[in-house]
Amino acid sequence: DAKTTQPPSMDCAEGRAANLPCNHSTISGNEYVYWYRQIHSQGPQYIIHGLKNNETNEMASLIITEDRKSSTLILPHATLRDTAVYYCIVRRYNAGNMLTFGGGTRLMVKP
Amino acid sequence: KAGVTQTPRYLIKTRGQQVTLSCSPISGHRSVSWYQQTPGQGLQFLFEYFSETQRNKGNFPGRFSGRQFSNSRSEMNVSTLELGDSALYLCASSLLSSQMNTEAFFGQGTRLTVV
Repeated sequence: DAKTTQPPSMDCAEGRAANLPCNHSTISGNEYVYWYRQIHSQGPQYIIHGLKNNETNEMASLIITEDRKSSTLILPHATLRDTAVYYCIVRRYNAGNMLTFGGGTRLMVKP
Repeated sequence: KAGVTQTPRYLIKTRGQQVTLSCSPISGHRSVSWYQQTPGQGLQFLFEYFSETQRNKGNFPGRFSGRQFSNSRSEMNVSTLELGDSALYLCASSLLSSQMNTEAFFGQGTRLTVV
């Protein structure tokens, strides 16, 4: 699976949009981009995934560049409860239930 | 719908002992994966089971083993415990089809401390 690069930490003001970038320049055509987050001492939580089109669900939006070498997870109105480590993962569609986690981005939402 | 259940939540063992951790997946999920999380190494994949067969295995020594039962419940075992095995062990279940993957749902984990 392709390697991902994320900034180690970011801050965001409560109520503002949080934009979390991820670089996956070696992604191949059959690999999806997945985002998970882990709130302190809990198991990771699935957020969203996409292949090449932008995706939106009740939690977040995922913007993937046209060349698919990078993506941005957008939390439109961050709250204190969104403080967590966010992981960007690239995964082949038939890779089974095996996820390769990198270091992630520690997002701190501040009042 | 009940989530992924891991038992026990906390465990303290002595070096050299062995330990068995249990994971009950979400009803209908046939894939179960295990992960180890430590401050130094982060989240690392241990192994995945699907329909009682190991599908994938991470880079861990043979002291780490697992199995899956016909009801999809899974156990992992660590023998001859070392201090470095102290970690949060996470289980994830997924509803897989032959065509594509779906998202993995994680349990709360078992916190193992080896003394």
